[in-house]
Amino acid sequence: AQSVAQPEDQVNVAEGNPLTVKCTYSVSGNPYLFWYVQYPNRGLQFLLKYITGDNLVKGSYGFEAEFNKSQTSFHLKKPSALVSDSALYFCAVRTTNTDKLIFGTGTRLQVFP
Amino acid sequence: DGGITQSPKYLFRKEGQNVTLSCEQNLNHDAMYWYRQDPGQGLRLIYYSQIVNDFQKGDIAEGYSVSREKKESFPLTVTSAQKNPTAFYLCASSIGPLESNEQYFGPGTRLTVT
Repeated sequence: AQSVAQPEDQVNVAEGNPLTVKCTYSVSGNPYLFWYVQYPNRGLQFLLKYITGDNLVKGSYGFEAEFNKSQTSFHLKKPSALVSDSALYFCAVRTTNTDKLIFGTGTRLQVFP
Repeated sequence: DGGITQSPKYLFRKEGQNVTLSCEQNLNHDAMYWYRQDPGQGLRLIYYSQIVNDFQKGDIAEGYSVSREKKESFPLTVTSAQKNPTAFYLCASSIGPLESNEQYFGPGTRLTVT
């Protein structure tokens, strides 16, 4: 069965510090990986995706993610966190074997001033 | 939230009543999706449609129904058979059903059933 794990329910970071939100996946076949962000009482916004090629993917709002095939991970990163980055972040995966996008349970990022 | 609209934003119903949630997109996307979001559980797929006049059950379709008569519209009906309907419902669309296509989400409808 395909799955996505976000091992941390919450990540706390001081403004200006680098942030990492972790994601690991388990699939059969090549993964297509996505990150989304959700602000309170809003829909999800697409941040970035990995399809193929360069393992470092750059996305919206200064976020990037690194695909690591050997560790089956796709961690989200940002060099310098902003208070406005505080939100709920979802990792998701899909493969050619399925019609469905599988979501992790989400990680709440809290950036303190 | 792109070109996807969901209405209403908040919806209150009595137990035993069916209710229909609206989802409209002006992105000319072929594929549309309905998800349910509960605290601590991420998103769960209810129904999806890859093309007009066709749709498939997702992981938690029991107690729900959909239609896809127009490309831009994908309404979701929560029936009285749904045992725990109170949740945040999200509609999404993608340009096509390919696995590499990202999904774009509407602002959501929060349904409360008492």
